[in-house]
Amino acid sequence: DTGVSQDPRHKITKRGQNVTFRCDPISEHNRLYWYRQTLGQGPEFLTYFQNEAQLEKSRLLSDRFSAERPKGSFSTLEIQRTEQGDSAMYLCASSFGTRGYEQFFGPGTRLTVL
Amino acid sequence: AQRVTQPEKLLSVFKGAPVELKCNYSYSGSPELFWYVQYSRQRLQLLLRHISRESIKGFTADLNKGETSFHLKKPFAQEEDSAMYYCAQGSNTGKLIFGQGTTLQVKP
Repeated sequence: DTGVSQDPRHKITKRGQNVTFRCDPISEHNRLYWYRQTLGQGPEFLTYFQNEAQLEKSRLLSDRFSAERPKGSFSTLEIQRTEQGDSAMYLCASSFGTRGYEQFFGPGTRLTVL
Repeated sequence: AQRVTQPEKLLSVFKGAPVELKCNYSYSGSPELFWYVQYSRQRLQLLLRHISRESIKGFTADLNKGETSFHLKKPFAQEEDSAMYYCAQGSNTGKLIFGQGTTLQVKP
């Protein structure tokens, strides 16, 4: 399968715990994006990388959130001290270029914070 | 701030009827606009983008700068068109700004 993959697909955690999600983009794609989607809403941008550089972060990304893409390949998104409001679907997407290029989405990681 | 509005949460039509999913954007420059679709139990995927002016699965969308709209249309809906549709605007940095989505339900 050459598409974008995400792991885990589902995560249930207790409030206050830390969680980490992984995204593996399509191999030749240099752009990687993270979005968050809550029930009844469209995906909202969180952050993106060009190769290993994190170039933009949304105001939605509080200091409890951190993302990395250490070698310009896979990326991780960590949430520290999770809150119930963090419950959402976390989507990863990758693209070959920037403006106007198709973004290919992964299946998402559904996070439930109890 | 850039914003994309999809005024209808749900659009229900009968098979063979015309479909129009509405999308309005807020951007004064030259926007990059997309329609993404999510079928049941599948991932979000690109349906079409305005720059390529293509027709995919019978769907078309025309950019109207005067009305800042990018409505998605299909003359004859099929049951397999039932899905969630998202209009999205691309920013200068490449990130996508999505609308809230419209569920299209095509009844037999």
